[in-house]
Amino acid sequence: EVVLMESGGGLVKPGGSLRLSCAASGFPFDNSGMSWVRQAPGKGLEWVSFISTSGSYIYYADSVKGRFTISRDNAKNSLFLQLNSLRADDTAVYFCARLAPGDYFDFWGQGTLLTVSS
Amino acid sequence: QSALTQPASVSGSPGQSITISCTGTSGDVGTYNAVSWYQQHPGKPPKLIIYEVTKRPSGVSDRFSASKSGNTASLTISGLQADDEADYYCCSYAGGNTPFGSGTHVTVL
Repeated sequence: EVVLMESGGGLVKPGGSLRLSCAASGFPFDNSGMSWVRQAPGKGLEWVSFISTSGSYIYYADSVKGRFTISRDNAKNSLFLQLNSLRADDTAVYFCARLAPGDYFDFWGQGTLLTVSS
Repeated sequence: QSALTQPASVSGSPGQSITISCTGTSGDVGTYNAVSWYQQHPGKPPKLIIYEVTKRPSGVSDRFSASKSGNTASLTISGLQADDEADYYCCSYAGGNTPFGSGTHVTVL
């Protein structure tokens, strides 16, 4: 069974930092491109970042470039997102998702809620 | 990195067919056969229902079908059922990033 489990969300003040984690199991994580996708309350899905299998290729949405850093630890089947200089509009549920060959998201976690507020 | 354009809402009666459009550009939908569609019920993660423009994952009803013409992709739900009431998002590879559509809420009347 495929499981993606995000953790690390919570309440952070504007300007603060946080690290999200995603624990993966049930599929070949080290052979899978991975992404973070977020969804602000009552809003649509927004792709945030992608990391290739070995971490050689990394992409970010313009809205987070320079503030967020994606990384992975294949030995621990884990994906991470370091969020710095947080703003109120970063408030969202953050999902980790596998990007399958063919460039579609076939596996999703349940998401972790980040709230940025003073 | 602009979101793909979808109608905000579409509605239909049980048994009817509805179509949701997804308009992108020559930099995403128009160039890559990597359009996917997702269904999302409230409080749940998105669920893949179409990939590579027209393909359905195992277990997804054949009432869901999709196509693409130029810069616009379309999702059709036939034989509309109550459980189809949800939000639907398209997505396209765009050379390094994968923008989503703005989302369409489907209401079953």
